[in-house]
Amino acid sequence: RKEVEQDPGPFNVPEGATVAFNCTYSNSASQSFFWYRQDCRKEPKLLMSVYSSGNEDGRFTAQLNRASQYISLLIRDSKLSDSATYLCVVNKGGADGLTFGKGTHLIIQP
Amino acid sequence: DADVTQTPRNRITKTGKRIMLECSQTKGHDRMYWYRQDPGLGLRLIYYSFDVKDINKGEISDGYSVSRQAQAKFSLSLESAIPNQTALYFCATSGGTLQETQYFGPGTRLLVL
Repeated sequence: RKEVEQDPGPFNVPEGATVAFNCTYSNSASQSFFWYRQDCRKEPKLLMSVYSSGNEDGRFTAQLNRASQYISLLIRDSKLSDSATYLCVVNKGGADGLTFGKGTHLIIQP
Repeated sequence: DADVTQTPRNRITKTGKRIMLECSQTKGHDRMYWYRQDPGLGLRLIYYSFDVKDINKGEISDGYSVSRQAQAKFSLSLESAIPNQTALYFCATSGGTLQETQYFGPGTRLLVL
């Protein structure tokens, strides 16, 4: 099992729809979790951290299920500008920092 | 001005050449990282450094070396470039109160012929 797995997509979604991504991680000792966003040919940028109780930032909601070792990201009322690749990121707790999933490609269609 | 800068932004080189990619940051972070990104493979860690005297190998360090010249500077060298080192290279930093959050530079696109 890969350390961090994501469905690569692409997810083609009409503008205004709700879309959800899941991510699974293999190391049960993982300590912290994030979603990063990466636009084409640009650097990854932190979208939001993921907390055990779940957390929301505007149209974005992140959930963590430690028992099943998965993380989710929900985007409501999707905008054209949400088109990007979303990277699931896990901190295993080791000295080497973060482990990145390969990303899920989202395309919002007008 | 960008907090994390990388030079050059694009580079074409030939097999066997030595090249250096440079990274500078103004965030005052102690930790710096070098990643490469390949289509279908995601981001992979090459080297990381937690301070000027600390250098550590990442997942794919073979064929690469690094130098942490100062807190703000971390350079990546390819001693003898080969075509499968063609990739997009990112530098990142972390530190301060949000130790785990990494801030990335704009990337260097490298093509080895």
